[in-house]
Parts: sequence; C-alpha cells; structure tokens
Amino acid sequence: ETGVTQSPTHLIKTRGQQVTLRCSSQSGHNTVSWYQQALGQGPQFIFQYYREEENGRGNFPPRFSGLQFPNYSSELNVNALELDDSALYLCASSPGTVAEAFFGQGTRLTVV
Amino acid sequence: AQSVTQLGSHVSVSEGALVLLRCNYSSSVPPYLFWYVQYPNQGLQLLLKYTSAATLVKGINGFEAEFKKSETSFHLTKPSAHMSDAAEYFCAVSLPDNYGQNFVFGPGTRLSVLP
Repeated sequence: ETGVTQSPTHLIKTRGQQVTLRCSSQSGHNTVSWYQQALGQGPQFIFQYYREEENGRGNFPPRFSGLQFPNYSSELNVNALELDDSALYLCASSPGTVAEAFFGQGTRLTVV
Repeated sequence: AQSVTQLGSHVSVSEGALVLLRCNYSSSVPPYLFWYVQYPNQGLQLLLKYTSAATLVKGINGFEAEFKKSETSFHLTKPSAHMSDAAEYFCAVSLPDNYGQNFVFGPGTRLSVLP
C-alpha cells in the first residue's frame, strides 16, 4: 500500500469526449507526476506538478492538461479523446525527490 | 537526454533457477536508477534503487542489482526464481534531484517462471 490512490480504476469513453482522472498524493508529498502506459510498453512521462505549478512536460500535445490542488492532489484532463489515448494512466507522488516516489494503481482508460 | 534499453522482451526461467534481467542506460550526468515490478492490472512497485551510494543494491523479495558505470548497466538478479516472481519488470533512469525528477522507463521484460 503506497498511499497514492487513483480514481476511477477503469472507464470507457467515446472518441472526441473529454476525461478527468484523479490522483490523491501520499501525505507530505508536494510533487506529482503523470505517466501514460500503452499496452505492452513502458510508462511515458506526461507532466509533473510541484506546489501547484507545472514544472516539467513530456512529448504530449496540449490537449493533455493537469491541475494540482493546495492539498497536493491532482487531476489529469484529456480533451478530444483519440483511440490511441487508450492506456493505463499512472500517477506518482514524491516529497520533492524522485528517489522517494510512489506510484498509484493506475486508471485504465479505454477509448472506443 | 536519458534512455533505457532492456535486452529481451520476454525471459523464461525454471523455478529455482537464476534470474537475470538486463538494463543498460544512457545519461548525460550520473543518474539515479530503479527497477520496478508490475503485476497484471496493477501499478508499479519499487524493487530497488541506486542513488549514488553503494553500487550493489539489495531490494525486496531477494532481488539485487549492481550499478556498473563502465558498462552503463544496472542488471537485476535473483539467485532462485519463485513462481510469484512472474511479472513485468521495468528499469528506469532519472536525473538527480537538481536536474529534474521524471522517470524514463525501458520497454519492460516479461518474466515467466516455469514449474
């Protein structure tokens, strides 16, 4: 049990729709990162938030956006869903050092 | 930019045999290195990590890895495989904290353990 919880665990959306995924960080962790893991691949870095500000982004289009709240929980928003957005989305929280990061169980998104 | 390669997308071993999963990295500065395990339909669980202390790192469930700078490698080993070790294993690299904190993952190696 890592203390990082993600919701929902599974969801199905239609192409073109918008989706919001949520991550509750472990207590005391001020940094959250999001990753996309397509089937059969390693996770790919989407972006990172530190104290409510985005401070790093991977090679993902602007329709992937996020928020971090004062309690350090976080949301990942994806607009105009495409079939290729189907993946496991993982969040990781840390107290400011990657060496102490913990991953949640992920949200499985299926776009049909 | 950092990158990770994992030789062998699928490795099969017999129960009780040695497990060796290979990881090579590239990084512009001395990196942090990690091994994660993923069971079906689950998130990532940290097995062990190297953060510039001892080069031989011991982790959970009997796994260990050795950081070899000259070979840019961080191979994962376990002396005796157990059926419960069957899972997907990911090697990851990250820069030290003052450079950035995201992971770059390898493509993964699926470990099968045969009875």
